[in-house]
Amino acid sequence: AQSVTQLGSHVSVSEGALVLLRCNYSSSVPPYLFWYVQYPNQGLQLLLKYTTGATLVKGINGFEAEFKKSETSFHLTKPSAHMSDAAEYFCAVIDSGYSTLTFGKGTMLLVSP
Amino acid sequence: EAGVAQSPRYKIIEKRQSVAFWCNPISGHATLYWYQQILGQGPKLLIQFQNNGVVDDSQLPKDRFSAERLKGVDSTLKIQPAKLEDSAVYLCASSPGGGPSYEQYFGPGTRLTVT
Repeated sequence: AQSVTQLGSHVSVSEGALVLLRCNYSSSVPPYLFWYVQYPNQGLQLLLKYTTGATLVKGINGFEAEFKKSETSFHLTKPSAHMSDAAEYFCAVIDSGYSTLTFGKGTMLLVSP
Repeated sequence: EAGVAQSPRYKIIEKRQSVAFWCNPISGHATLYWYQQILGQGPKLLIQFQNNGVVDDSQLPKDRFSAERLKGVDSTLKIQPAKLEDSAVYLCASSPGGGPSYEQYFGPGTRLTVT
């Protein structure tokens, strides 16, 4: 069974600092990879996804992620954090040929002034 | 375009009571999902519908949970009887199709508290 590991349940950064949220997956086949954001009392919103092709994926709100097959990683980054980025972020994976999303446990991003 | 609608947004019940949640997907979306999100964890798929047929319900506790999607549009998820461990946010999502290349759009969720 595939699994997703997000390192760190909470990550704190200062406004303007680099954001790095880590995600590692286990999959025996090339997967589809996703990052979702969840604001308080709201549903999940897709930030970006990797399916095939270019391994550096750009998403909304200035976020990007790089698929590294050799490291089975899909870390999320943003060069400069903004207060509005404070939310919970979930990494998820789908094995190709299926549609069932398997989520990590989430990382809460805290942004201080 | 209207998003995925869910109701109620909050529900508090006592254990052994029953409860039902409603979901209205985005118009034209053939695939509908119900997820359970327990505090501190990522969402877990309970059931997936393609139109009004069940595609995957392998993680649905069928002794107490049931779901239906009549006419391939709205869906209801029911719990009877509820247990304390059912306290969670229940998320509904929809997508145009069932493959991994289709984005899933999530509703705001229903927060269930079982006391």
